[in-house]
Amino acid sequence: NAGVTQTPKFQVLKTGQSMTLQCAQDMNHEYMSWYRQDPGMGLRLIHYSVGAGITDQGEVPNGYNVSRSTTEDFPLRLLSAAPSQTSVYFCASSPWTGLNTEAFFGQGTRLTVV
Amino acid sequence: AQKITQTQPGMFVQEKEAVTLDCTYDTSDPSYGLFWYKQPSSGEMIFLIYQGSYDQQNATEGRYSLNFQKARKSANLVISASQLGDSAMYFCAMREGGRSGGGADGLTFGKGTHLIIQP
Repeated sequence: NAGVTQTPKFQVLKTGQSMTLQCAQDMNHEYMSWYRQDPGMGLRLIHYSVGAGITDQGEVPNGYNVSRSTTEDFPLRLLSAAPSQTSVYFCASSPWTGLNTEAFFGQGTRLTVV
Repeated sequence: AQKITQTQPGMFVQEKEAVTLDCTYDTSDPSYGLFWYKQPSSGEMIFLIYQGSYDQQNATEGRYSLNFQKARKSANLVISASQLGDSAMYFCAMREGGRSGGGADGLTFGKGTHLIIQP
């Protein structure tokens, strides 16, 4: 069981470039989300989706786009990368929205913008 | 104001000793859940334990227990008989009922505590 798979694991971008971070889960989870982790900041929510076709903004959405065309996939797009977007990005999924639902995390993508 | 506060940036503990990692939270929502995650040096996030705001008893999972003091808004993680493999970052997180009432607004994390177990 693969769980939550993120690709790539590492990426270096130049300022102004665009790219898509991929996230796929094989657990048929309805809820998916993206977080970024910066040193000394903990994880912060970027965007989330409660099901295919439904997305919403989290705490730090600026500079990122998402879409959810299938239950399995939830890609995160950086439209014009900036050095402030250098971070580790985590995708997570849960079987449903509920207070007690555990979030299953991918292995993370380490992104450096130069 | 921060919603999750972890006041211990780093801790050194002798192997086999018990460890308490502090977490205080701030919410006006009566419905919320509290989580602890472990992040080893390899980077993955590992779920440890959950406590609901309406749970009457403190949660336990193996060597992990959560000391939940609702009136003080604290949810400290206790690790009994620490092991070298417990060395990692530990994050406290909260999910509130929020706009939908169902916690769709995601998890709010603290800044973490770096725990180092010494032999």
